[in-house]
Amino acid sequence: KQEVTQIPAALSVPEGENLVLNCSFTDSAIYNLQWFRQDPGKGLTSLLLIQSSQREQTSGRLNASLDKSSGRSTLYIAASQPGDSATYLCAVRPLETSGSRLTFGEGTQLTVNP
Amino acid sequence: ETGVTQSPTHLIKTRGQQVTLRCSSQSGHNTVSWYQQALGQGPQFIFQYYREEENGRGNFPPRFSGLQFPNYSSELNVNALELDDSALYLCASQPKGFSWQFFGPGTRLTVL
Repeated sequence: KQEVTQIPAALSVPEGENLVLNCSFTDSAIYNLQWFRQDPGKGLTSLLLIQSSQREQTSGRLNASLDKSSGRSTLYIAASQPGDSATYLCAVRPLETSGSRLTFGEGTQLTVNP
Repeated sequence: ETGVTQSPTHLIKTRGQQVTLRCSSQSGHNTVSWYQQALGQGPQFIFQYYREEENGRGNFPPRFSGLQFPNYSSELNVNALELDDSALYLCASQPKGFSWQFFGPGTRLTVL
């Protein structure tokens, strides 16, 4: 059974700091890994998707890496801003012949202080 | 804006009642998934529908059921509500041949 763990559970940083969020998964047989952002009480916004054959993806100040063999992914946020404050979730899609269910971690709650 | 809408936004029910949650996605999004997110937790997969048939189910009892319609809308039905069913319910749609899933804003269900 796939399990996804995110560390730390919460993180508070001053504005402008670079930071790294960690995600680990127990089964390396994945199709892809996705990072989401969730604002309080809201739905999920997809940030980056890394296919299993890829090592990293970048979008603006965000960079996500994937090491499938070790079961790890990191989300790097450069020059953090107060607007980045949210919960960040990672999710893996298994390498199955049908279906595209996602297994989520419990998230990292990020607070960026002005 | 993901193009996925859910209704209602909030809902309050009492234990033992039945509830229907609705999701509408864009044309061509022929896969829809439903997730339950308890407070402070990550979303948990309930089930997925593809071309109006269930093609995957998580660890949820049969009182959780669903439907998908030809117009790319879907429903999540929960019978015999329990207090632990209180959660944010998210639907996600996926276009054919596309890896991304697009999430709706969710329905907050409170069971008293």
